[in-house]
Amino acid sequence: QTVVTQEPSLTVSPGGTVTLTCALSTGVVTSNYCPNWFQQKPGQAPRALIYCTSNKHSWTPARFSGSLLGGKAALTLSGVQPEDEAEYYCLLSYGGAWVFGGGTRLIVL
Amino acid sequence: QVQLMQSGAEVKKPGDSMKVSCKASGDTLTSHFMHWVRQAPGQGLEWMGLVNPSGDSTNYAQKFRGRVTMTRDTSTSTVYLELSSLRSEDTAVYFCAGEMAGGYFDYWGQGTLVTVSS
Repeated sequence: QTVVTQEPSLTVSPGGTVTLTCALSTGVVTSNYCPNWFQQKPGQAPRALIYCTSNKHSWTPARFSGSLLGGKAALTLSGVQPEDEAEYYCLLSYGGAWVFGGGTRLIVL
Repeated sequence: QVQLMQSGAEVKKPGDSMKVSCKASGDTLTSHFMHWVRQAPGQGLEWMGLVNPSGDSTNYAQKFRGRVTMTRDTSTSTVYLELSSLRSEDTAVYFCAGEMAGGYFDYWGQGTLVTVSS
């Protein structure tokens, strides 16, 4: 069974920088897995931020960026804003199916 | 402005089946793969499966095979999720989501709460 692992929780100060990662139990995450990143706030549907590793949607704030880092997919927030406090999920394409990570709760404090 | 409008909340008993719909407005989404994702209370997102743009092919997460059916009516721009043999663990908010080929997820429904309780 394929498992995608994210940090359960991270805390960052306003204006700071934080990197969230997304690891695959079966090995290295590459661009072939087309990593997607979503933000979800309580009571809302998820909102896509990044598709296929590093591509931003037209609505994605410039402070969000995606990359591959140390065999994992990564989402970096630079200049964190209070409104960035949310749950963040990665999603990987795996053999025609898709698998979500467990999510990272980002606390801005 | 494209919107995905899902059907309303449902309450089911264990063993029942559920059927949730997701209708696109503002665009027919004929180029989109349509996914279903669920979220149990206080839990993370879980990918359930997808139906292709023409509606003639599906791919389900292994966990749900044999119990799930996803269909698509292109004439009404509506996709459907059916899940049978419901149990309490199926209590969740079910979301539909549209993906342009290439992993570009751009549209999400508002979610439908399905509660399974005796």
